[in-house]
Amino acid sequence: DADVTQTPRNRITKTGKRIMLECSQTKGHDRMYWYRQDPGLGLRLIYYSFDVKDINKGEISDGYSVSRQAQAKFSLSLESAIPNQTALYFCATQQGSSYEQYFGPGTRLTVT
Amino acid sequence: QKEVEQNSGPLSVPEGAIASLNCTYSDRGSQSFFWYRQYSGKSPELIMFIYSNGDKEDGRFTAQLNKASQYVSLLIRDSQPSDSATYLCAVDVQFYFGTGTSLTVIP
Repeated sequence: DADVTQTPRNRITKTGKRIMLECSQTKGHDRMYWYRQDPGLGLRLIYYSFDVKDINKGEISDGYSVSRQAQAKFSLSLESAIPNQTALYFCATQQGSSYEQYFGPGTRLTVT
Repeated sequence: QKEVEQNSGPLSVPEGAIASLNCTYSDRGSQSFFWYRQYSGKSPELIMFIYSNGDKEDGRFTAQLNKASQYVSLLIRDSQPSDSATYLCAVDVQFYFGTGTSLTVIP
């Protein structure tokens, strides 16, 4: 089984709908991250969490919210989806004592 | 706002040649620098990190850091077709990524 999983892997939704993307990890890492990737814009950080009680905004947090339900789970919500939130979303984990970051397989989200 | 800049490419090199990828960053206080490889349709994977001025070698890969000039580069020696991917530069514990450079190694 993969160490970092994301569900769903693909999702098409309509403008105005609420949607949640979920990330789970079995690596036992304390840090978790949500990024979005758009063609020509690279990876941009949305939110990050260094432990269950620590949530921080990244570069582009507007329109998103997160929940760290447990050390192993970090969810990203779009309260009212809009078309420019169409992107590839990645979750990543990291152990605080290490530089190495591990990415999930990604969720491709399309908002119509 | 920290900026990380990369030439988007595409960069094409013949098999066996040296591929040179460059990245510049805006924040002089940045401390740690990372190179990721991303195959098409896949997630990024870390290949090198560096935090001291100079060169760091790992197999066919060499990362070079020059803090005075605010650039970090990645050299890939003896390039192989399997090295064809997008290479992402990241700064400061992966908070800031460049847009990536697309590399194609021609057999």
